[in-house]
Amino acid sequence: EPEVTQTPSHQVTQMGQEVILRCVPISNHLYFYWYRQILGQKVEFLVSFYNNEISEKSEIFDDQFSVERPDGSNFTLKIRSTKLEDSAMYFCASSETWTGSETQYFGPGTRLLVL
Amino acid sequence: EDQVTQSPEALRLQEGESSSLNCSYTVSGLRGLFWYRQDPGKGPEFLFTLYSAGEEKEKERLKATLTKKESFLHITAPKPEDSATYLCAVQAKSNYQLIWGAGTKLIIKP
Repeated sequence: EPEVTQTPSHQVTQMGQEVILRCVPISNHLYFYWYRQILGQKVEFLVSFYNNEISEKSEIFDDQFSVERPDGSNFTLKIRSTKLEDSAMYFCASSETWTGSETQYFGPGTRLLVL
Repeated sequence: EDQVTQSPEALRLQEGESSSLNCSYTVSGLRGLFWYRQDPGKGPEFLFTLYSAGEEKEKERLKATLTKKESFLHITAPKPEDSATYLCAVQAKSNYQLIWGAGTKLIIKP
């Protein structure tokens, strides 16, 4: 069964450092997303991406964040200068069509710890 | 403001003891309501999508229903392996992001 994969599973970084989180969405999916979940809190939407551009972004997704689809399979989230409050689980998701009403399938997440 | 509230926060049941989880929502035009299961340290695992009031979907011991204001996830004769956090999320017609509830942590004791 096709699944979303994410690497690394865990990332520890120093405050102010850049991190790149990687995702491989399901191969025939066209819509990609990043969410985050701070420990003990709700899942929060960060950004959606379609046709090589950002479709929507939340207030959390400020200038420190960027997304890219560098090739036909990978989808990345970059945090330019990490802050302590960026520590969270980051989930990538993908959905099949651009209509947006299709189910979003999630990866296993990357646990980011900023020291 | 679009909002999702889940209750109870936690629910402990004996194996075989049926119950329901609630998801109340306010959204400016519902595109879809989604139920996911989340195990500790893992990503949300898709269970159901509901699109309109009156719709019901079933999968094994789980049944999801939808009204104009809330959704219920009914669990019948649960087993210990059903223990997890169950998340509800809605998608408004105005955008594609999912708005999440805080989840119900379900513990099934053998």
